[in-house]
Amino acid sequence: KAGVTQTPRYLIKTRGQQVTLSCSPISGHRSVSWYQQTPGQGLQFLFEYFSETQRNKGNFPGRFSGRQFSNSRSEMNVSTLELGDSALYLCASSLWTGGTGELFFGEGSRLTVL
Amino acid sequence: GESVGLHLPTLSVQEGDNSIINCAYSNSASDYFIWYKQESGKGPQFIIDIRSNMDKRQGQRVTVLLNKTVKHLSLQIAATQPGDSAVYFCAENPPRNNLFFGTGTRLTVIP
Repeated sequence: KAGVTQTPRYLIKTRGQQVTLSCSPISGHRSVSWYQQTPGQGLQFLFEYFSETQRNKGNFPGRFSGRQFSNSRSEMNVSTLELGDSALYLCASSLWTGGTGELFFGEGSRLTVL
Repeated sequence: GESVGLHLPTLSVQEGDNSIINCAYSNSASDYFIWYKQESGKGPQFIIDIRSNMDKRQGQRVTVLLNKTVKHLSLQIAATQPGDSAVYFCAENPPRNNLFFGTGTRLTVIP
């Protein structure tokens, strides 16, 4: 079956703009988690959605938001972009919530903020 | 958040040798641990996991060891191959929480 699909794969924005990233989980998976990955850092947890509800949220400012649709697809949005938002944004899906199983990752959306 | 750290940021090994990647985790209540491999330009891929009621688990050419006393996790790769070159992340999972990842160790296999 198809894996986790993230779009777009690459994008370039300027400071102050906003961006929306999309994630389609593996069919049947109801949990979608978002992570930010920057050079020299590990994966920083942004938030998790399960059945259209945000279940957990990491330590990121309110400029970072997300949502999940009834078909489990998820989007995340970053408003008022800053240079430090340049990163690889990874989406991961799993069957259940709360880290009760393996996360399956997409290949990420690489955001560059100029 | 949790703190999951790695003792060495880089590791170079000769092809055919065994590799050991270490990881320290911070939450003694964490009951599930995963090792992921991330190749350049790709998302992390699951390698092996272990639950806190075990201290060792073996997969194909990989073994994960868990020492709960010192909150230490290690990944052993037998007969390391060039295709094993990647960044390896450990992750801990506190109960009813999400996975917390370490900063990663870059493994380079020298032919």
